[in-house]
Amino acid sequence: ETGVTQSPTHLIKTRGQQVTLRCSSQSGHNTVSWYQQALGQGPQFIFQYYREEENGRGNFPPRFSGLQFPNYSSELNVNALELDDSALYLCASRTGTEETQYFGPGTRLLVL
Amino acid sequence: GESVGLHLPTLSVQEGDNSIINCAYSNSASDYFIWYKQESGKGPQFIIDIRSNMDKRQGQRVTVLLNKTVKHLSLQIAATQPGDSAVYFCAEIMNRDDKIIFGKGTRLHILP
Repeated sequence: ETGVTQSPTHLIKTRGQQVTLRCSSQSGHNTVSWYQQALGQGPQFIFQYYREEENGRGNFPPRFSGLQFPNYSSELNVNALELDDSALYLCASRTGTEETQYFGPGTRLLVL
Repeated sequence: GESVGLHLPTLSVQEGDNSIINCAYSNSASDYFIWYKQESGKGPQFIIDIRSNMDKRQGQRVTVLLNKTVKHLSLQIAATQPGDSAVYFCAEIMNRDDKIIFGKGTRLHILP
């Protein structure tokens, strides 16, 4: 196991609702990234947080937002859910000096 | 552009044989490459990495080869076991603070 935990494991929402996903990074890791993985695809980068600041963002609209807390845990918020937001959402953490990211088990979101 | 692709979507290998999973990447400026293994219902698991100044790196039962001339990456798994069944992703990073760019993945199927 990587030491990265995510909650909840599964979630069902309806279109237009809002969702918050949570991630606890591995001990000593101050950088957290979020990825969206559609079925049968590779993970796509959403954004990255370092020391509570967003320091990188992929091609996702502003309704995808995040937070990082002083203990380096993180949240992913998605507003105005759309059907295409159905996916596995992965959190990954790393130290500030290494490239290797370690992934959590993911949260599977289904939007109906 | 952002493109890390795999030549074969599915690879079937006899148990005990060696497996070779190939990957083509398009960004010649990428500095760091990673292979991840993803089992059903789990997040990607780090297998092995290699920097752009190397052409080969060995781990336990796995070897990664990097050919920068043709922008090709491969993962070799020795004596393939049933537990190796998973989807394998190659991924690239341009620099330490950058996002991971994943390919679509290759499913490795082990034949008894």
